[in-house]
Amino acid sequence: NAGVMQNPRHLVRRRGQEARLRCSPMKGHSHVYWYRQLPEEGLKFMVYLQKENIIDESGMPKERFSAEFPKEGPSILRIQQVVRGDSAAYFCASSPQNTNNEQFFGPGTRLTVL
Amino acid sequence: GENVEQHPSTLSVQEGDSAVIKCTYSDSASNYFPWYKQELGKRPQLIIDIRSNVGEKKDQRIAVTLNKTAKHFSLHITETQPEDSAVYFCAAASSGYSTLTFGKGTMLLVSP
Repeated sequence: NAGVMQNPRHLVRRRGQEARLRCSPMKGHSHVYWYRQLPEEGLKFMVYLQKENIIDESGMPKERFSAEFPKEGPSILRIQQVVRGDSAAYFCASSPQNTNNEQFFGPGTRLTVL
Repeated sequence: GENVEQHPSTLSVQEGDSAVIKCTYSDSASNYFPWYKQELGKRPQLIIDIRSNVGEKKDQRIAVTLNKTAKHFSLHITETQPEDSAVYFCAAASSGYSTLTFGKGTMLLVSP
């Protein structure tokens, strides 16, 4: 049973470009969470999704950031018009349908904005 | 919303000593408290968790205690080894609500 998968592992973008980060949850998991980790800081919640639904996006910046988890395919975190402050590690986690809150993390995508 | 404070931010111990990391939370509705270990450049990995109906839980050299009245919980690592060196994060979540709120982390360094 493969774990949570994320790609790309490293992403470099210039200011103003778009970044697309992908997350494939563990098999059988229907809940996906995105977190952002700045250097030497903790994990900050961004968004919580189930298939085709955004459950909680209270941690998402109001502009430029969006997320989806379609019926088929991975969850996507999209950052438009990236700025240097978006440079961070972005982790996704997944949990089973009958969640007991235990979340399994992917390896992360390290975004660098030049 | 929930706020989780974690102390200390760094902790250095000698191999074989015990290490204790403490967290406090603000939302009395929180009832799930996991601890994650993150090695440099790696993903956070769950090492132990505790729910509010339990006061203590132990797994080999690792134990977690929870005081709901005081709203704090602690991670205890005994007989530390160099491979325990990592950043440890505590987190809290409310009943029926899956979002985790994390502390800022503790960098544990175990010297041989």
